[in-house]
Amino acid sequence: RKEVEQDPGPFNVPEGATVAFNCTYSNSASQSFFWYRQDCRKEPKLLMSVYSSGNEDGRFTAQLNRASQYISLLIRDSKLSDSATYLCVVNGWDSNYQLIWGAGTKLIIKP
Amino acid sequence: ETGVTQSPTHLIKTRGQQVTLRCSSQSGHNTVSWYQQALGQGPQFIFQYYREEENGRGNFPPRFSGLQFPNYSSELNVNALELDDSALYLCASSFGRGLAGNTIYFGEGSWLTVV
Repeated sequence: RKEVEQDPGPFNVPEGATVAFNCTYSNSASQSFFWYRQDCRKEPKLLMSVYSSGNEDGRFTAQLNRASQYISLLIRDSKLSDSATYLCVVNGWDSNYQLIWGAGTKLIIKP
Repeated sequence: ETGVTQSPTHLIKTRGQQVTLRCSSQSGHNTVSWYQQALGQGPQFIFQYYREEENGRGNFPPRFSGLQFPNYSSELNVNALELDDSALYLCASSFGRGLAGNTIYFGEGSWLTVV
């Protein structure tokens, strides 16, 4: 089983729609969780951290479910510019210097 | 825009050769981490350097080695290149030992193709 798993997609979504991604992680001792965005052939960029109580940043909402060991990302009113790969990231459980990355979910927003 | 610069941006090497990739960290950062990202995969942690010493290593063979210099810039060296080493190599800088996923800054990466 992979340490961090994501549906690779692609998710093809019409502009203006709401889309949700899930990510599961294998170790319950994981402490910190993040969503990164990566455009084609570019470096990953932090989208948002994920807090235990859930958090929102504009059209983006992140949730953490420790009991089921998954995190989610919800994008409302999707824009063409949201087209990218979304990577789920977890701080390593055996050290605090390693980030464990999912393989990413590709999102394509259609006009 | 992150202040982290990597070179070269693209290169092609032959199987069995050696390669050196370079990274200049953001001003004030004393920690550099290196990641390998194969096509269609997430980044995989190679190792981290903190104040010129290796501070942690992922599951990569010894032919992957690194250095950090007094100015905190860093090099990643890969010997005896294999076809599977073809990937985007990402450098990330941060401050302090330990790593929070919201305080690291990535360079634009070096694309390595091994033929």
